[in-house]
Amino acid sequence: SAVISQKPSRDICQRGTSLTIQCQVDSQVTMMFWYRQQPGQSLTLIATANQGSEATYESGFVIDKFPISRPNLTFSTLTVSNMSPEDSSIYLCSVDRGSGRHEQYFGPGTRLTVT
Amino acid sequence: AQSVAQPEDQVNVAEGNPLTVKCTYSVSGNPYLFWYVQYPNRGLQFLLKYITGDNLVKGSYGFEAEFNKSQTSFHLKKPSALVSDSALYFCAVRDDNYKLSFGAGTTVTVRA
Repeated sequence: SAVISQKPSRDICQRGTSLTIQCQVDSQVTMMFWYRQQPGQSLTLIATANQGSEATYESGFVIDKFPISRPNLTFSTLTVSNMSPEDSSIYLCSVDRGSGRHEQYFGPGTRLTVT
Repeated sequence: AQSVAQPEDQVNVAEGNPLTVKCTYSVSGNPYLFWYVQYPNRGLQFLLKYITGDNLVKGSYGFEAEFNKSQTSFHLKKPSALVSDSALYFCAVRDDNYKLSFGAGTTVTVRA
């Protein structure tokens, strides 16, 4: 498995502000992903953040709203910009170790409430 | 496009009884299928996977899943449920770019 930590674990933010969420992994991984889980909903992929390349965003998500950094093989950040109450969700990062193991592991999530 | 469906929003069983959580999938190529569990206020935990090989795969916490290609199903099972198994369960399918698509989730309640 992989040990993944996220900061902050939760936050309450005001409309119009931005929040940066950090994801730290205990070992080097190439593939990292960011997901959103809206209240009572399933998980939706926001973007893939592989080191050495620009993040690739899924339909409905744009870089201006959710800029992502991936400075090295153990760390990534997701920023939720110009927040509105509709952004209230749990944001999770995940990693895939590759090497044919076919297992993706998730961080504990960041619970964001926008007022 | 790939997708999974979990036809049951909720499953209720008595402790000690068998537990089954249903999942069907749709993929254009070989299926890579997964089950995850989410406990309240916690992240997702990997339970098991089907990549290839035996149709019955065993995972964590006594769970297993049966892959059925003809029925395009990947049902999660546990022979004897525990109260501590009460949680939200997600079925997922992975594409060639390692992206996961999740089902809507099934809430399992095991009563004592």
